[in-house]
Amino acid sequence: DQQVKQNSPSLSVQEGRISILNCDYTNSMFDYFLWYKKYPAEGPTFLISISSIKDKNEDGRFTVFLNKSAKHLSLHIVPSQPGDSAVYFCAASGTSGTYKYIFGTGTRLKVLA
Amino acid sequence: ETGVTQSPTHLIKTRGQQVTLRCSSQSGHNTVSWYQQALGQGPQFIFQYYREEENGRGNFPPRFSGLQFPNYSSELNVNALELDDSALYLCASKSGTGKETQYFGPGTRLLVL
Repeated sequence: DQQVKQNSPSLSVQEGRISILNCDYTNSMFDYFLWYKKYPAEGPTFLISISSIKDKNEDGRFTVFLNKSAKHLSLHIVPSQPGDSAVYFCAASGTSGTYKYIFGTGTRLKVLA
Repeated sequence: ETGVTQSPTHLIKTRGQQVTLRCSSQSGHNTVSWYQQALGQGPQFIFQYYREEENGRGNFPPRFSGLQFPNYSSELNVNALELDDSALYLCASKSGTGKETQYFGPGTRLLVL
C-alpha cells in the first residue's frame, strides 16, 4: 500500500519557467512533509519541509504548498535552472514514534536549456 | 562540518552470503536510520538507532540487523542475501529522536548475483 504517491514519473520544463512537482498521501496521521533532490550516484539532499500547521513554505526559488483537505502537496521551482535536473522525492512523517520517512517513488525533472 | 559518509560505495555479493555496510553520521548527530532504495522506487525505512539501541523498525525480516557505536557510527548487516536485496542502501542521520531533518549519505550500491 503506497501511502505517498508521486504519479508523474517524469517532467520536462524549459529553463526559466516554473516546475511543479506533485505528491499525494493517504495517511491523515502524517503531519510533516519534506522534499529531497537526488542526483545520480549521490544521496538524497534535503530541499524544503513543511509542517501540517502551515499551508506554504518558501526558501528562495523553492516553495512547498500543502493542501491538507486534499492530502496533496506540491513543490514549485521558479525559475527553473538546468542544475535543477534531478529526481525529486517527497517524504512524509507521522506524529510519533521514530518519525521515519515514507517516501514517494520520485519524479525525474529535466530542465531544458 | 563533515556530512554523512558510507562505505563501500559499491559491492557485489552472491546469494546466501552476508554483507556489512558502514555509515559515519554527520557531526553532532546521534540518531541514524537505514533505508533501502530499489530501482525505480523511493527509499524504504529499514530501522533506526539511537544511543546504540534500535528504536524503530520497518517491514524487513530479522536477517537485516544493525549496530550503532558510541561514536554514533553505524553498521547494517544483511545475512543470507537474496537476489531482491540488490539495491542502494542509504544511511541518514539527525540530531535527536524527534522531527529533526534527516541528512543522507551517498549510499552503498549492493548487487546480489
